[in-house]
Amino acid sequence: GQQLNQSPQSMFIQEGEDVSMNCTSSSIFNTWLWYKQEPGEGPVLLIALYKAGELTSNGRLTAQFGITRKDSFLNISASIPSDVGIYFCAGSYYGGSQGNLIFGKGTKLSVKP
Amino acid sequence: DGGITQSPKYLFRKEGQNVTLSCEQNLNHDAMYWYRQDPGQGLRLIYYSQIVNDFQKGDIAEGYSVSREKKESFPLTVTSAQKNPTAFYLCASSAGTRPFHEEQYFGPGTRLTVT
Repeated sequence: GQQLNQSPQSMFIQEGEDVSMNCTSSSIFNTWLWYKQEPGEGPVLLIALYKAGELTSNGRLTAQFGITRKDSFLNISASIPSDVGIYFCAGSYYGGSQGNLIFGKGTKLSVKP
Repeated sequence: DGGITQSPKYLFRKEGQNVTLSCEQNLNHDAMYWYRQDPGQGLRLIYYSQIVNDFQKGDIAEGYSVSREKKESFPLTVTSAQKNPTAFYLCASSAGTRPFHEEQYFGPGTRLTVT
């Protein structure tokens, strides 16, 4: 089946640093979504992207829908301790079941105060 | 407040017993989903329903069953046929209609432990 490659798998950064993570696929995607999950909780939707080249911000978070439609990037600026968690990318690909998402395996972010 | 509720938060069962996980939403969403999450893994789709009284198997449906008798509710039964049922189970819903039909919103999850 379809798979998303999300990298890096984990990141250990200092508070105040910027963070960048990405997801790639072998298929063209129609939609890219980014979620954050904290331990023992459900994922929370951060940003949704629907158009190739689209750049969308949510506070200190910025995500982009790659121009090839096969990748997406999430950047977090000036990280703070509460940014800790696992960030998942998800998307729906052309030809997939309507509304169904494929999820990456996540990037675990640790922030040192 | 609109949202998705899952109960209970933690569930313990003996091997060989069926168990039903609850999922309720008051977002007026048409579509609902069940996912399984194992440590270090992404989310894997168990079942989904795009409309009342209809549901489809996901990637790992074996050993699970669902019903969708009401728009607000999508319970998941983990049967004794599921070989490795211990996991974190997540329910989600989405509007089901364009243009935002793919934005899925998740409940808080139920951690099931079977011994």
